[in-house]
Amino acid sequence: GDSVTQMEGPVTLSEEAFLTINCTYTATGYPSLFWYVQYPGEGLQLLLKATKADDKGSNKGFEATYRKETTSFHLEKGSVQVSDSAVYFCALSDNFGNEKLTFGTGTRLTIIP
Amino acid sequence: SAVISQKPSRDICQRGTSLTIQCQVDSQVTMMFWYRQQPGQSLTLIATANQGSEATYESGFVIDKFPISRPNLTFSTLTVSNMSPEDSSIYLCSAPSEGDTEAFFGQGTRLTVV
Repeated sequence: GDSVTQMEGPVTLSEEAFLTINCTYTATGYPSLFWYVQYPGEGLQLLLKATKADDKGSNKGFEATYRKETTSFHLEKGSVQVSDSAVYFCALSDNFGNEKLTFGTGTRLTIIP
Repeated sequence: SAVISQKPSRDICQRGTSLTIQCQVDSQVTMMFWYRQQPGQSLTLIATANQGSEATYESGFVIDKFPISRPNLTFSTLTVSNMSPEDSSIYLCSAPSEGDTEAFFGQGTRLTVV
């Protein structure tokens, strides 16, 4: 079945540091890929998405590129802020008319001033 | 986008009792999904709720423990039955957007069983 392997956390960085959170997936067909974010005390929100190979999703300075050859969807940000502290989840949905999501384990990110 | 209202937002329940969680979507959707997020862990799909038919449960989840209702295209409930402390989790409902390329989530219900 489908699976998502996500970089283990927690991750602690200084403000303005470069961020990479690795995510690889296993799926049949051509899934859509997502990064969701869960800020402290809040619900799950979509951060960005990509629906086909070589697509780049971007939002709030975060980017991730759908790499079919390496089955990866790594999340990057050039300069993190304290407000980026949250738990980040990589996820996929298959495109066979079934929109349920398979999530990675989540990565807790803490940014220190 | 879809707005999903979920309630209660949190509850503390006695073991052996049941809790029903409600999820309201501001537009009609074909499928709704219920997830569980155990402490410190990722989200696991419990079941898919389809209007007009029985819910489809994932491996490890059964209807007797997690009965689901889906009376119309904008509403669903999940009941956590005969609760034990192991059921302490965040429960989230979700619905896909129009075009089904992303999912929206309710705020979640934080359940503590004592």
